[in-house]
Amino acid sequence: GQNIDQPTEMTATEGAIVQINCTYQTSGFNGLFWYQQHAGEAPTFLSYNVLDGLEEKGRFSSFLSRSKGYSYLLLKELQMKDSASYLCAVDNDYKLSFGAGTTVTVRA
Amino acid sequence: IAGITQAPTSQILAAGRRMTLRCTQDMRHNAMYWYRQDLGLGLRLIHYSNTAGTTGKGEVPDGYSVSRANTDDFPLTLASAVPSQTSVYFCASSEAGETGELFFGEGSRLTVL
Repeated sequence: GQNIDQPTEMTATEGAIVQINCTYQTSGFNGLFWYQQHAGEAPTFLSYNVLDGLEEKGRFSSFLSRSKGYSYLLLKELQMKDSASYLCAVDNDYKLSFGAGTTVTVRA
Repeated sequence: IAGITQAPTSQILAAGRRMTLRCTQDMRHNAMYWYRQDLGLGLRLIHYSNTAGTTGKGEVPDGYSVSRANTDDFPLTLASAVPSQTSVYFCASSEAGETGELFFGEGSRLTVL
């Protein structure tokens, strides 16, 4: 079975940094994805980690520790448009299992 | 058509009625998926297809059926809708056999009364 945990909500100030943690216990593992989903819209791809370590892409970075079953998504220099849900997803046998998502609210 | 197209965008349905959600992609992806998204539960996989002619059950398949007659189309059918099937349904596609990102359609909001 799959067990993917992430916080339900986080609030941060514009310009700040927020770290969204994700822990997982799955029967198989081919990699970990982060998706962004704005209210009423489809999820869109943010990042992918298959090896341990940090992947940086502009203001967003994602970290993976396979031995600990742990990942985080780091959002830097927060902007109002970053207010969205962030979904952690584990690739298990080429099918993604998603966490419930973390709603990030950015305040001025 | 660019990417994945779902229809209808929104539908209100009486319990017991049959409903088919349509999904078409133009990226020639081998793999296609149907997810439902509910508050507090996230995206849950209903059914998937790794290639035309094959389908598989996901996490929550009961009450749903799919077919994959060709590469582009992957319809989801509710044979006899129930109120617990009220949800937002997302179709997605990816390259099968590789770990690659999912491309999602815009979603179909279904309300069963």
